Amino acid sequence: KAGVTQTPRYLIKTRGQQVTLSCSPISGHRSVSWYQQTPGQGLQFLFEYFSETQRNKGNFPGRFSGRQFSNSRSEMNVSTLELGDSALYLCASSRQIDPNTEAFFGQGTRLTVV
Amino acid sequence: TQLLEQSPQFLSIQEGENLTVYCNSSSVFSSLQWYRQEPGEGPVLLVTVVTGGEVKKLKRLTFQFGDARKDSSLHITAAQTGDTGLYLCAGDDKIIFGKGTRLHILP
Repeated sequence: KAGVTQTPRYLIKTRGQQVTLSCSPISGHRSVSWYQQTPGQGLQFLFEYFSETQRNKGNFPGRFSGRQFSNSRSEMNVSTLELGDSALYLCASSRQIDPNTEAFFGQGTRLTVV
Repeated sequence: TQLLEQSPQFLSIQEGENLTVYCNSSSVFSSLQWYRQEPGEGPVLLVTVVTGGEVKKLKRLTFQFGDARKDSSLHITAAQTGDTGLYLCAGDDKIIFGKGTRLHILP
């Protein structure tokens, strides 16, 4: 079966711009989580959606937002980009919200802010 | 705030050697997961440990969850070059991640 698909794979944006990243989960998976990965901070949780509702939110400023559609596809948006937003953004999908359910990660979107 | 500390940060050893990496916290977790991430890829789940004292084996990899459910270890026997990667531990609904151990196995 198809894995988690993230688009685009690479993105270069200028400071002050906004960006939207997309994540298509594995078919049948209703939970989607987003993470930011940087060399200094590691993998940091952004937010989790389940059945179009945000269940959890990490400690990121309000410039970071997300949503989930009825087909479980999810988008995250970052407004007023800063240089420090340069990172690998990963999304993970899982069938349900049980903590022991396996999460499957996409390959990520590499965002560079210049 | 719950934190997961992983050590060592970097490890480079010869093929065939054994190694252990650690994931420690001052907080209790209901479960911990271990992932491996290769360059250009997302993390892939290796194992979930849920019971204090639990030991799980995955071929040459042995995972242990501490009795108090605050720490975990990953032991690799006879490391192979294919074991190279970033090893991450995660707890609590995959919200908290350690910064990882970057493992490099030399041929």
